Amino acid sequence: DAGITQSPRHKVTETGTPVTLRCHQTENHRYMYWYRQDPGHGLRLIHYSYGVKDTDKGEVSDGYSVSRSKTEDFLLTLESATSSQTSVYFCAISDGLAGHNEQFFGPGTRLTVL
Amino acid sequence: EDQVTQSPEALRLQEGESSSLNCSYTVSGLRGLFWYRQDPGKGPEFLFTLYSAGEEKEKERLKATLTKKESFLHITAPKPEDSATYLCAVRLGGSQGNLIFGKGTKLSVKP
Repeated sequence: DAGITQSPRHKVTETGTPVTLRCHQTENHRYMYWYRQDPGHGLRLIHYSYGVKDTDKGEVSDGYSVSRSKTEDFLLTLESATSSQTSVYFCAISDGLAGHNEQFFGPGTRLTVL
Repeated sequence: EDQVTQSPEALRLQEGESSSLNCSYTVSGLRGLFWYRQDPGKGPEFLFTLYSAGEEKEKERLKATLTKKESFLHITAPKPEDSATYLCAVRLGGSQGNLIFGKGTKLSVKP
């Protein structure tokens, strides 16, 4: 298994509170991604990073921010959580080298916003 | 609009009953098609990458094929442990390796 951990694995929080999810990798891969997965939808990209301090928005970025201060860590922050952000969040990594475009996923974080 | 559609949404098979899952896509500048397996409560597990029409990849009872408009995941003589949701994703041209995922096919194999 690719060395990817996510923390916390489960979290219950209240509407309006800030939440930060952490993704940590030990593979030294350049690219890191945050997705959310909801019933009736495929995995949807929230934000991604193509290097330290280099990030960009994905398909569903509203209400989320990210930071990457080290190669191994990618943080996802919900500044003020809403019930619509209840979801399972997955982090993924990719080395992005030619012929190696596959992404490897972490175990996920189940977030419930009450 | 770039789109990935998987069919069927769910498939129930008897052990040993071979079948195929479909992934059709309407994207410009395809730069790879990916198959993943996802077990309940876990992250997607990478299976295959296909890059060009006519390409095939195999792993145990699974074989993935690619045409210009769709990909098939063929499952030969499935076993109950093949039960999972299978996800298809395409990588767009001109992006930073971003993927668009289909909604998946949930496969159940009964003994």
